[in-house]
Amino acid sequence: QLHLQESGPGLVKPSETLSLTCNVSGGSISSSNYYWGWIRQPPGKGLVWIGNIYSTGNTYYNPSLKSRVSISVDTSKNQFSLRLTSVTAADTAVYYCARRGAAVDYWGQGTLVTVSS
Amino acid sequence: QSVLTQPPSVSAAPGQKVTISCSGSSSNIGNNYVSWYQQLPGTAPKLLIYEDNKRPSGIPDRFSGSKSGTSATLGITGLQTGDEADYYCGTWDSSLSAYVFGTGTKVTVL
Repeated sequence: QLHLQESGPGLVKPSETLSLTCNVSGGSISSSNYYWGWIRQPPGKGLVWIGNIYSTGNTYYNPSLKSRVSISVDTSKNQFSLRLTSVTAADTAVYYCARRGAAVDYWGQGTLVTVSS
Repeated sequence: QSVLTQPPSVSAAPGQKVTISCSGSSSNIGNNYVSWYQQLPGTAPKLLIYEDNKRPSGIPDRFSGSKSGTSATLGITGLQTGDEADYYCGTWDSSLSAYVFGTGTKVTVL
């Protein structure tokens, strides 16, 4: 059974960079036909797709976040990471890492990241 | 902001049926598969329906999906108190080159 687990700071200061890592167990991140990515949910609001990376390294990002986002993969550690630069209070959210094939079929439990000084 | 529109809320009594609509366009629902997700309070979303109308293993047949043109529908029959949750549709948008989620619908069991 595939398991995804997010890790990273729960508090980030405004204008700094948010960095999260997703550790994947129970399967290889190098598997073809799957995208690995991030989705966030501001408190009390809906789901927002951030972006995906394929095992080949190809990336797709939400146009509204594209200038500040990067997703990378480390196949040797079976994990992938998110970097979001120049954060503001609007970036406060629960961040989920997830696998997407025909649909987003596996989700991490989510980690709350608060942007505050 | 979302390109997929859902009703904010639907409700029905236990045992009844509810349907949730998801309205989009030719760049998303009209030409790509739709998925549906259930988010119970305080938990991560869970996949309910993929490729418009397929259920992953373990999802009861009380949940069904359909699509017509640029709209999709999730149906829940035999409503149970445990079905109280937020439900989201999702699909790829070919114009945006981005995955998009619906605005979300809260299901209340009366």
